[in-house]
Amino acid sequence: DQQVKQNSPSLSVQEGRISILNCDYTNSMFDYFLWYKKYPAEGPTFLISISSIKDKNEDGRFTVFLNKSAKHLSLHIVPSQPGDSAVYFCAASDSSASKIIFGSGTRLSIRP
Amino acid sequence: DAMVIQNPRYQVTQFGKPVTLSCSQTLNHNVMYWYQQKSSQAPKLLFHYYDKDFNNEADTPDNFQSRRPNTSFCFLDIRSPGLGDAAMYLCATSLQLAGGTDTQYFGPGTRLTVL
Repeated sequence: DQQVKQNSPSLSVQEGRISILNCDYTNSMFDYFLWYKKYPAEGPTFLISISSIKDKNEDGRFTVFLNKSAKHLSLHIVPSQPGDSAVYFCAASDSSASKIIFGSGTRLSIRP
Repeated sequence: DAMVIQNPRYQVTQFGKPVTLSCSQTLNHNVMYWYQQKSSQAPKLLFHYYDKDFNNEADTPDNFQSRRPNTSFCFLDIRSPGLGDAAMYLCATSLQLAGGTDTQYFGPGTRLTVL
């Protein structure tokens, strides 16, 4: 049973435009959400996170939005750059647990 | 640079032949994790160590064991690999458990092939 779902395995966006990656979750106990980015032949690296007490967190070109009622979060990248081409994993945890649950990832390709 | 190192990057083993994957860290983090990731799937936590305390996920097969002889090193032992154990194995560390809010730092992974 997937508790964190990324329904789009891939996404292609033109350079300079906005990339929007989506993630849904089912566990209402989740109170902390993260995005990790993974380049080929490297491990995932932390990108940005959001606590459930917020609905938006921004860091430079990256913004994460959280809609608790819909159990949905999204990552916006604007403007998209070629170096953003990677696999993006959504992840979630609840503060009483000692682990995070990952989604299956979305491969983002930025085209010229 | 402080980092998480996994050796080897690629490992080929035969069906049923024990194999050990290695992870080391220079971050001096308390927690070390092992994840299994099969193709196009989410990384799945197998177990973690908080210092010397071992925590096994309920659905981790008995075939998978782990050792952490010191702060820097952690090993994943697969006692009798089956074809279904072919996957990428990711090691990660974090300073504290912190309910998952503490950033995890990942190694590059070891891709295991079972023949």
